[in-house]
Amino acid sequence: AQKVTQAQTEISVVEKEDVTLDCVYETRDTTYYLFWYKQPPSGELVFLIRRNSFDEQNEISGRYSWNFQKSTSSFNFTITASQVVDSAVYFCALSEPENDSNDYKLSFGAGTTVTVRA
Amino acid sequence: DVKVTQSSRYLVKRTGEKVFLECVQDMDHENMFWYRQDPGLGLRLIYFSYDVKMKEKGDIPEGYSVSREKKERFSLILESASTNQTSMYLCASSLRWWVGGRGEQYFGPGTRLTVT
Repeated sequence: AQKVTQAQTEISVVEKEDVTLDCVYETRDTTYYLFWYKQPPSGELVFLIRRNSFDEQNEISGRYSWNFQKSTSSFNFTITASQVVDSAVYFCALSEPENDSNDYKLSFGAGTTVTVRA
Repeated sequence: DVKVTQSSRYLVKRTGEKVFLECVQDMDHENMFWYRQDPGLGLRLIYFSYDVKMKEKGDIPEGYSVSREKKERFSLILESASTNQTSMYLCASSLRWWVGGRGEQYFGPGTRLTVT
């Protein structure tokens, strides 16, 4: 079963528009972590944010903001006033502790391709 | 900054060839991972390693093997490459939980492998 669902395959916006990327996750653990990664055309995934399951405060970093809602199992990502440099594939990921090792692997969503047109 | 490097950005191999993909990280991370990325499927875990000479299968290990002889190096091996292994391969590393790791992984630039 898919643990992380990113329902939007592609989003295209004009520069300066806001864009919101949806992420819905599934877990039975009470302790888990959620992540967003950005993959620009160069290919390397860049870590954007980590959020733990006990912290539901929204977070803002410059033009980026994240809305974590446990009630709906969602961790959405908004880019405000988008720029061409925001064009990338964005991945949401879930990390749950492994039973034996207590270590963490990541389950990734399928990704959302964002295209920002000038 | 964490630096994860991969031996090749682009690679073209023939069906049946043995292929080695190398990954090196310079931040003394215990955990290392190999993923393949295909359109519409996101990243799928092939193998991971949490210590030297240790390895565990991920979600899609068939057709692949790995080697970790040194902490900083994790190799992915395609014993006999097939066309359905044409993909982008991404290596990543992370800290173990008892030294503060909480799952964030740091990625290399990827190797785009084409098998003809």
